[in-house]
Amino acid sequence: AQSVTQLDSHVSVSEGTPVLLRCNYSSSYSPSLFWYVQHPNKGLQLLLKYTSAATLVKGINGFEAEFKKSETSFHLTKPSAHMSDAAEYFCVVSDNTGRRALTFGSGTRLQVQP
Amino acid sequence: DTEVTQTPKHLVMGMTNKKSLKCEQHMGHRAMYWYKQKAKKPPELMFVYSYEKLSINESVPSRFSPECPNSSLLNLHLHALQPEDSALYLCASSLRLAGVEDTQYFGPGTRLTVL
Repeated sequence: AQSVTQLDSHVSVSEGTPVLLRCNYSSSYSPSLFWYVQHPNKGLQLLLKYTSAATLVKGINGFEAEFKKSETSFHLTKPSAHMSDAAEYFCVVSDNTGRRALTFGSGTRLQVQP
Repeated sequence: DTEVTQTPKHLVMGMTNKKSLKCEQHMGHRAMYWYKQKAKKPPELMFVYSYEKLSINESVPSRFSPECPNSSLLNLHLHALQPEDSALYLCASSLRLAGVEDTQYFGPGTRLTVL
């Protein structure tokens, strides 16, 4: 069984300040981990993915995430928030068993203040 | 190109109507998925097709009927829906169902309202 916990349902930052969105996972297997972003009334866009290569993963739009097996964490960071980053962010795990079902976290809404 | 297209963008239907949602990708992906997303919730998996065959059905009511006529196209046929079926319906695809290259790419969704 696998699960994902996004530790904050809502995060508010000022434009130009760092962003930290927290994600912890549980998986019986070596998981693949993803961060997706969803802007209002839009589909999900892949930000980045971890598939057992480098533990520090760089994604689009300046986002990156670090896989820490000892802490079972996959936190998403960005050095400087932009107004266009305001959206819903989902941390997702795939257990690589072949069933290919994704387990989604509950989501974190990022608000960026001017 | 990592584009998945969905039509229509918006759909309003009555409980006695029959309608269909369409999803298309031309990335050579052989796994395709339907998700349902209610407001302020993560997507919930409905169906998975692998090589045009239904692989996973997450106990979805029969008023939702999926179809995969070819490797690029995925349909979701709707009949006798209930107001609680109103949601954003997302389509996704991935290269294959098994293996490392399982990244799912999502379409923009169809916003369905059932009156």
